[in-house]
Amino acid sequence: EAEVAQSPRYKITEKSQAVAFWCDPISGHATLYWYRQILGQGPELLVQFQDESVVDDSQLPKDRFSAERLKGVDSTLKIQPAELGDSAMYLCASSPGLPETQYFGPGTRLLVL
Amino acid sequence: SQELEQSPQSLIVQEGKNLTINCTSSKTLYGLYWYKQKYGEGLIFLMMLQKGGEEKSHEKITAKLDEKKQQSSLHITASQPSHAGIYLCGADLLTGANNLFFGTGTRLTVIP
Repeated sequence: EAEVAQSPRYKITEKSQAVAFWCDPISGHATLYWYRQILGQGPELLVQFQDESVVDDSQLPKDRFSAERLKGVDSTLKIQPAELGDSAMYLCASSPGLPETQYFGPGTRLLVL
Repeated sequence: SQELEQSPQSLIVQEGKNLTINCTSSKTLYGLYWYKQKYGEGLIFLMMLQKGGEEKSHEKITAKLDEKKQQSSLHITASQPSHAGIYLCGADLLTGANNLFFGTGTRLTVIP
């Protein structure tokens, strides 16, 4: 069964350092999402791609966060510099199109010290 | 998110007991998704509901969307330890994009 892949699964970094997360969606899925989930809360959308184009990044803190999906397949989310409040689970999801069920990857758990 | 409220926040049941989790919205739900999450892991898709009055079942889990499409319930019959986890409802509130707004989740513990 096809799955969304994410790496790394865990990341520990010091504040002010740069971190990057990678996501490979299910093959053929045009839409890719990055969510942030703070402990005890539901996921919140950071950015949504349709193929290589950003559809919605209104909740992305653009002063420190960036996301790209250059070839419309895999995607990278970067934080520079990381802050203590960025500690959270970062989830990637993909769907065949709009509107469709979103399938989630295992997530990257980030701890900023 | 504030758009969706889940209740209860946590639930502890004895194995074999039935239980219900609710998800309520102040806005019309155009698509309601139920996911399960094990601690520290990703979300596993359970079911999607779109039509008012719709009901879907998978194994011992049944989900319903009320006629007014502002509330959904997830019912587990004869709970098992494997049902333990966090149940999240996610909704398409038709804001113009396929963004899902999530509730804060219900943590289910099943005691053997």
